[in-house]
Amino acid sequence: QVQLVESGGGVVQPGRSLRLSCAASGFTFTRYGMHWVRQAPGKGLEWVAVISYDGSNKYYGDSVKGRFTISRDNSKNTLYLQMNSLRAEDTAVYYCAKSRKYSGYDPDAFDIWGQGTMVTVSS
Amino acid sequence: DIQMTQSPSSLSASVGDRVTITCQASQDISNFLNWYQQKPGKAPKLLIYDASSLETGVPSRFSGSGSGTDFTFTISSLQPEDVATYYCQQYDNLPVTFGQGTKLEIK
Repeated sequence: QVQLVESGGGVVQPGRSLRLSCAASGFTFTRYGMHWVRQAPGKGLEWVAVISYDGSNKYYGDSVKGRFTISRDNSKNTLYLQMNSLRAEDTAVYYCAKSRKYSGYDPDAFDIWGQGTMVTVSS
Repeated sequence: DIQMTQSPSSLSASVGDRVTITCQASQDISNFLNWYQQKPGKAPKLLIYDASSLETGVPSRFSGSGSGTDFTFTISSLQPEDVATYYCQQYDNLPVTFGQGTKLEIK
């Protein structure tokens, strides 16, 4: 079935790094832009980043720009989020999400979401 | 960035009631507006896209309307399984932005 499965979350100290993965199945991964969205505990949804179908175009939210890098490996149907210089305010559940119709890095609706992976930044 | 303002932030209604949530954009976003449902501990689920189009498999009691800056999400007859937080989201421009959410409870 169509699904996204995130992994790689955990507890990390401020200033350290973490890489999240999102494995896609049940749809043609290479046709769609992919996004990361996060949700701090008890808070609303915050969009993080988008990558085009071929990885050639990327765009980031201001709060993560210069610290996070989105990438994808289409041979493995996997999306990544490399998170460097982590801060306490990056503590959140991180979701990967599929663009509903666009292959580029266009903004879009998100029709498939992963279950989320929790990242806690704490000393 | 485009700011999305949802109201109310919380809502309590009875089973069978008609429920309405509004979302206002800080600038004209045409119909580039989506609605999501998020149940506790779960990922969001797309209900409505392009302001008024029902996502496949979503019950017809859910609907959306509006264009420009003002949008409305409606549940025509509230069911117990509709307890959740609902979010609007604009996709006219990057960064994508969400409303702050409306927590819906059963009275």
